[in-house]
Amino acid sequence: SQQGEEDPQALSIQEGENATMNCSYKTSINNLQWYRQNSGRGLVHLILIRSNEREKHSGRLRVTLDTSKKSSSLLITASRAADTASYFCATDFNAGKSTFGDGTTLTVKP
Amino acid sequence: DTEVTQTPKHLVMGMTNKKSLKCEQHMGHRAMYWYKQKAKKPPELMFVYSYEKLSINESVPSRFSPECPNSSLLNLHLHALQPEDSALYLCASSQDHGGAFSYEQYFGPGTRLTVT
Repeated sequence: SQQGEEDPQALSIQEGENATMNCSYKTSINNLQWYRQNSGRGLVHLILIRSNEREKHSGRLRVTLDTSKKSSSLLITASRAADTASYFCATDFNAGKSTFGDGTTLTVKP
Repeated sequence: DTEVTQTPKHLVMGMTNKKSLKCEQHMGHRAMYWYKQKAKKPPELMFVYSYEKLSINESVPSRFSPECPNSSLLNLHLHALQPEDSALYLCASSQDHGGAFSYEQYFGPGTRLTVT
């Protein structure tokens, strides 16, 4: 079974609004990453956050990690139509294991 | 050059065919990966090569056979596939492999495979 569970499964917002998606996991992790995938294409790495970090920023992206709640969130501020994509969290909970969450499909309407 | 290339982009094959998918990176990465992705699902890890040696096989059927001829190339040989093997096959690479998500992975655009 997948390690990460994401919610919401789908999110539709207007351009300029913020988008927040969440990832929860069941066991301890070493690192967590977020990836974006445009329709039917390869994935693009967004942010890596390590288990001893609580928050990271990259441009309009903010990722938080709460290891006590076993959850992470990705915030995209001032969204653009080009942000329309599927977003996946990815965790490694055992050496060599890699698991993607089920993903959140974000639609940003112009 | 931060690009991972994959060929072909599309592949249609019959169940008795033998074909190969190719992946190449020139970033000096020492870990390379094959993933399978069905529509509206997350990628599923199939194989991991670390320093040109197979380090992880996620119980993939033997009709899929990976090969790493050198540190820049990764192949996936296909034989006697089933229609349910139709999917997007993604290749990725990372600087190293100490836990698959310890390092940023760079993904290729994928090969869309249809088995008839």
